[in-house]
Amino acid sequence: QKEVEQDPGPLSVPEGAIVSLNCTYSNSAFQYFMWYRQYSRKGPELLMYTYSSGNKEDGRFTAQVDKSSKYISLFIRDSQPSDSATYLCAWAVSSNTGKLIFGQGTTLQVKP
Amino acid sequence: DTAVSQTPKYLVTQMGNDKSIKCEQNLGHDTMYWYKQDSKKFLKIMFSYNNKELIINETVPNRFSPKSPDKAHLNLHINSLELGDSAVYFCASSRGGVAQHFGDGTRLSIL
Repeated sequence: QKEVEQDPGPLSVPEGAIVSLNCTYSNSAFQYFMWYRQYSRKGPELLMYTYSSGNKEDGRFTAQVDKSSKYISLFIRDSQPSDSATYLCAWAVSSNTGKLIFGQGTTLQVKP
Repeated sequence: DTAVSQTPKYLVTQMGNDKSIKCEQNLGHDTMYWYKQDSKKFLKIMFSYNNKELIINETVPNRFSPKSPDKAHLNLHINSLELGDSAVYFCASSRGGVAQHFGDGTRLSIL
């Protein structure tokens, strides 16, 4: 079983839609959970970062972590064409080593 | 005023050659990383350095050798390039571990 599973998409939605992106993981040692956004021909940029179960909100973005189910989600409200990118979930066992395990990424297209 | 910069952006070369990629960060971070992203966008860590000391060395062929001359620089030298080395290589940096800042990548193509 892969350590991280993420639906690669592509996912296409109309502008204004609510988008749900999901990842599952198998390693119970993961303690830190992140979402990165990667535009075409650019490096990943950190969107959200949390280390606890529950929800964390930042503007139109909400990250949800369920450690008991080993499941994390990213919700995007009122999606915009500028949100079109690949979204990568990532995990770390600790904050010290910096070893991140990434999902494969979900490609999102928001159509005007 | 780019935070993490890599050179070159594109690298096209023949199989068997040796090449280097350079990375510099101006964020004052103490840890730097090299990642490889394959054609399916799967991003995997290769190495990390903290204050010039190697702390992560994943299962990478020893043809790949990182070098950190100081905290702000981390270079990657690749010997005897193979077709399977074609990928995008990303440099990243962080203060501590998990909130990493990435460069825009070096696209390596082996002919």
